[in-house]
Amino acid sequence: DTGVSQDPRHKITKRGQNVTFRCDPISEHNRLYWYRQTLGQGPEFLTYFQNEAQLEKSRLLSDRFSAERPKGSFSTLEIQRTEQGDSAMYLCASSSTGGAEKLFFGSGTQLSVL
Amino acid sequence: EDQVTQSPEALRLQEGESSSLNCSYTVSGLRGLFWYRQDPGKGPEFLFTLYSAGEEKEKERLKATLTKKESFLHITAPKPEDSATYLCAVQSGNTPLVFGKGTRLSVIA
Repeated sequence: DTGVSQDPRHKITKRGQNVTFRCDPISEHNRLYWYRQTLGQGPEFLTYFQNEAQLEKSRLLSDRFSAERPKGSFSTLEIQRTEQGDSAMYLCASSSTGGAEKLFFGSGTQLSVL
Repeated sequence: EDQVTQSPEALRLQEGESSSLNCSYTVSGLRGLFWYRQDPGKGPEFLFTLYSAGEEKEKERLKATLTKKESFLHITAPKPEDSATYLCAVQSGNTPLVFGKGTRLSVIA
């Protein structure tokens, strides 16, 4: 049984650089979510996919952020021209549709922008 | 807009000292209320889903209850391994889960 996996676990980058994170959901799950979490805060919704379709993006999501889920399997989250305020834990979660959704989270990618 | 408020922000207990964590919420129509446990440097781990007022669920030393305005996570005779951040989240309709800030629980031996 493989859970949600995220890569890399840690990323250190310089301000202005682009970064890309990958998420592999549980194979039978058709919904995939990206959340962001900073220290002392709960996870904050960024965007989600049902299969390959991106159904919703948070209005707080900057244009510098883009996410894809080609073929409805793994997903990538790219941040262009990173800023220090982008430093956070980026969490991926997956679920199967139907009823109240129980999310299964990965261990996250910790981003530090210097 | 859905909102979740958790209290206290932090709680320190002696081993065996039972207590409760609170989650107050406002939603347009509750589809589900969720409790998660999060250890440092890891993603949240699912504990419970509650669907309607009066519902209760238990797992080992944890018991979650739900009213129309709040949920409680009761911890009975906690052990040091129960130390973690406990997150509450709500879902209304088909919207993504909205999380509270969590309660950081420390259980001292």
